[in-house]
Amino acid sequence: DTGVSQDPRHKITKRGQNVTFRCDPISEHNRLYWYRQTLGQGPEFLTYFQNEAQLEKSRLLSDRFSAERPKGSFSTLEIQRTEQGDSAMYLCASSLRSGQGDEKLFFGSGTQLSVL
Amino acid sequence: KQEVTQIPAALSVPEGENLVLNCSFTDSAIYNLQWFRQDPGKGLTSLLLIQSSQREQTSGRLNASLDKSSGRSTLYIAASQPGDSATYLCAVKGVTGGGNKLTFGTGTQLKVEL
Repeated sequence: DTGVSQDPRHKITKRGQNVTFRCDPISEHNRLYWYRQTLGQGPEFLTYFQNEAQLEKSRLLSDRFSAERPKGSFSTLEIQRTEQGDSAMYLCASSLRSGQGDEKLFFGSGTQLSVL
Repeated sequence: KQEVTQIPAALSVPEGENLVLNCSFTDSAIYNLQWFRQDPGKGLTSLLLIQSSQREQTSGRLNASLDKSSGRSTLYIAASQPGDSATYLCAVKGVTGGGNKLTFGTGTQLKVEL
């Protein structure tokens, strides 16, 4: 078990292009989360999946953003028509949900997106 | 809306000092509070998780306390080392809104000098 893996580590793109990020959670973890972090700020929740079902989306997730988790394994986050304001670190986390109080999230190293 | 504040924003100490990082939150209806460490350009590493019914958790040189009623938590680091230099983030898992997300503070950037 190598932890949560994210790919790519860095992505530079031009404004208006589409980008896709991948997250491989810890195997057998049933929950997968996406967060976004800008410089000097704490991470902000974007969305989460329980198995393959996307159960909650933040208002931060505009209609240019879409996330999937086919078959309840890896997840992808796609941003269409990127804008400079999308520049941030995109973090994925997974957990094995048991109770509300003891759910511990394991984060990946993130994908740093720069939109020029 | 839950808000999490961390004080100080930055801290520089000589090696060997004991130090305390502070975290406060506005809504005491929480399931748990977690402390994370983040190295520059990297993801988050979970340090300690305190459930709402607990008062403190310890791991090695780290001790975290939780006073849910007053909306406060502290992270105590004993005998600090240069390798402790990082940003420390606290996050609460609130009951309001379904209890499915963490709300983070902006972190305390710690530098431990030789």
